Amino acid sequence: QKEVEQNSGPLSVPEGAIASLNCTYSDRGSQSFFWYRQYSGKSPELIMFIYSNGDKEDGRFTAQLNKASQYVSLLIRDSQPSDSATYLCAVYNTNAGKSTFGDGTTLTVKP
Amino acid sequence: NAGVMQNPRHLVRRRGQEARLRCSPMKGHSHVYWYRQLPEEGLKFMVYLQKENIIDESGMPKERFSAEFPKEGPSILRIQQVVRGDSAAYFCASSMGLAGVETQYFGPGTRLLVL
Repeated sequence: QKEVEQNSGPLSVPEGAIASLNCTYSDRGSQSFFWYRQYSGKSPELIMFIYSNGDKEDGRFTAQLNKASQYVSLLIRDSQPSDSATYLCAVYNTNAGKSTFGDGTTLTVKP
Repeated sequence: NAGVMQNPRHLVRRRGQEARLRCSPMKGHSHVYWYRQLPEEGLKFMVYLQKENIIDESGMPKERFSAEFPKEGPSILRIQQVVRGDSAAYFCASSMGLAGVETQYFGPGTRLLVL
């Protein structure tokens, strides 16, 4: 079992819909959780991060964290074709100095 | 304020040659991380360095791979006697402090192709 698992995808949603990206992790010592977006052939760029249980909103993006269930998600509202990319979930155990990335979920937003 | 810089962006090597990948962190960042990404896969941690010190190299193959971050100059990831399986994108990320406490910023990557 992988340490960080993301829904395998690819995920396809129509323009204007909500895209839901999920991530589960196995290390209970993990403290911080980051979502990165990676366009094909490019480097990852930060979307947002979350440390505490609950929701965190930033524009059209909402990150949700449930440490008891070891689950973190990213919701993208009003999806746009420019959101089409691979989304990487990154989990950090800062006490252990460890970072683990999921394999990513590829999202396609169709006009 | 320049971001993380990596060079070369593309590198072609024949089997058995050496590959040297360079990473200059963002100004003010003293923490450097190297990751490898195979096609259709996520980022795999290789090594974490601070100036002149290797903090964690648990993700780096024990043979043929080495990394350094000297007091002056960029961080270097060195792959000796490359094999076809080394073909991948290698990303460097830097942060002001420990990743996860501070945000990592990624460079554009070096795409290594071994013929």
